[in-house]
Amino acid sequence: DAGVIQSPRHEVTEMGQEVTLRCKPISGHNSLFWYRQTMMRGLELLIYFNNNVPIDDSGMPEDRFSAKMPNASFSTLKIQPSEPRDSAVYFCASSLAWGSGELFFGEGSRLTVL
Amino acid sequence: TQLLEQSPQFLSIQEGENLTVYCNSSSVFSSLQWYRQEPGEGPVLLVTVVTGGEVKKLKRLTFQFGDARKDSSLHITAAQPGDTGLYLCAGAERFGAGTRLTVKP
Repeated sequence: DAGVIQSPRHEVTEMGQEVTLRCKPISGHNSLFWYRQTMMRGLELLIYFNNNVPIDDSGMPEDRFSAKMPNASFSTLKIQPSEPRDSAVYFCASSLAWGSGELFFGEGSRLTVL
Repeated sequence: TQLLEQSPQFLSIQEGENLTVYCNSSSVFSSLQWYRQEPGEGPVLLVTVVTGGEVKKLKRLTFQFGDARKDSSLHITAAQPGDTGLYLCAGAERFGAGTRLTVKP
């Protein structure tokens, strides 16, 4: 079975550009999570969805960040405009049951903003 | 502010040694999870502990959930180089900062 699929794996962009990260969760999983990982701050929860509905976006750092889940098999995380401090690895994870805590992660998207 | 505090932050040991890493919180959790992350990959779930006082064993790894469900520990017996990685505990989908373990041959 395919796991969580993220794209792109690597992205290098210039400050001010728009960045879109994509995620396909595991089929049948009802919850989807976006995380950001840096050495300084560790793994931070940005936003999560249950049955395609955003439940808590309190972890989204600024209005420059937005996330959507138009259907059960696709989600995007958008940064517009991007800044150098957004450089990090962004992970998408999905879970079969909301609140189980048992997450399956993608391989991540490494973003570098110059 | 980290809801879950992990210690030690870094640990470097020789192959064959035993080790314990800790995950502590002032909050009560219905369950805690342990994950291992290797470079360039996402975290991989190792175990979920649910019941206070619970002990779970996975080969050389022993996981314990505190009686009050506020803390957990991971003990590795006879560590091997393949155990090298970042060990993360999580509760309510929030993660601690992790313990970065290096096992030298």
